[in-house]
Amino acid sequence: KAGVTQTPRYLIKTRGQQVTLSCSPISGHRSVSWYQQTPGQGLQFLFEYFSETQRNKGNFPGRFSGRQFSNSRSEMNVSTLELGDSALYLCASSRQGSNIQYFGAGTRLSVL
Amino acid sequence: DQQVKQNSPSLSVQEGRISILNCDYTNSMFDYFLWYKKYPAEGPTFLISISSIKDKYEDGRFTVFLNKSAKHLSLHIVPSQPGDSAVYFCAAANSGGSNYKLTFGKGTLLTVNP
Repeated sequence: KAGVTQTPRYLIKTRGQQVTLSCSPISGHRSVSWYQQTPGQGLQFLFEYFSETQRNKGNFPGRFSGRQFSNSRSEMNVSTLELGDSALYLCASSRQGSNIQYFGAGTRLSVL
Repeated sequence: DQQVKQNSPSLSVQEGRISILNCDYTNSMFDYFLWYKKYPAEGPTFLISISSIKDKYEDGRFTVFLNKSAKHLSLHIVPSQPGDSAVYFCAAANSGGSNYKLTFGKGTLLTVNP
């Protein structure tokens, strides 16, 4: 069974631009969560989607948004990029009713 | 407000000895706890988990202990191997709530020396 796939693996953007990251969950997993990992803050929860609905959102500004498609694939978007948005963005999927989340390898975003 | 804390940023042990990684939490609503291992340039990998109805769960070389009264859990690795060298994250969830998220500690870098 294929794992969680995130694309692209690396991105370099400049301040003010926007970016879209993609995540394909494990087959059969309908919940997709996004996390931001930075050296000082660890993994911070961004949002979670289930059946195309956002069920929970972390404490991030509105520049961070996401969506989920009918095939459970998910995208997250960051608009008006800031230097502080440089981080590893991780996507995780889980089965309905399970607390165990399985992570992709992440997208490393660098904002210059 | 950091609800899950891993107070040791790093830990170094000799191969074959026991590694003990600690984690404390403050939110009484957490009732499910997980440990993840992360190598550089990879995503976190699920290692082991425990429900609050148990105080110990063992899986091979890995054992997780949960002390609910102290709001403390620990991961024991016996015997430690060089391939165990990685960052270990503790995470917690409220399985009965509607949060649908994991709250992570900041991680402990484990180095197992040959």
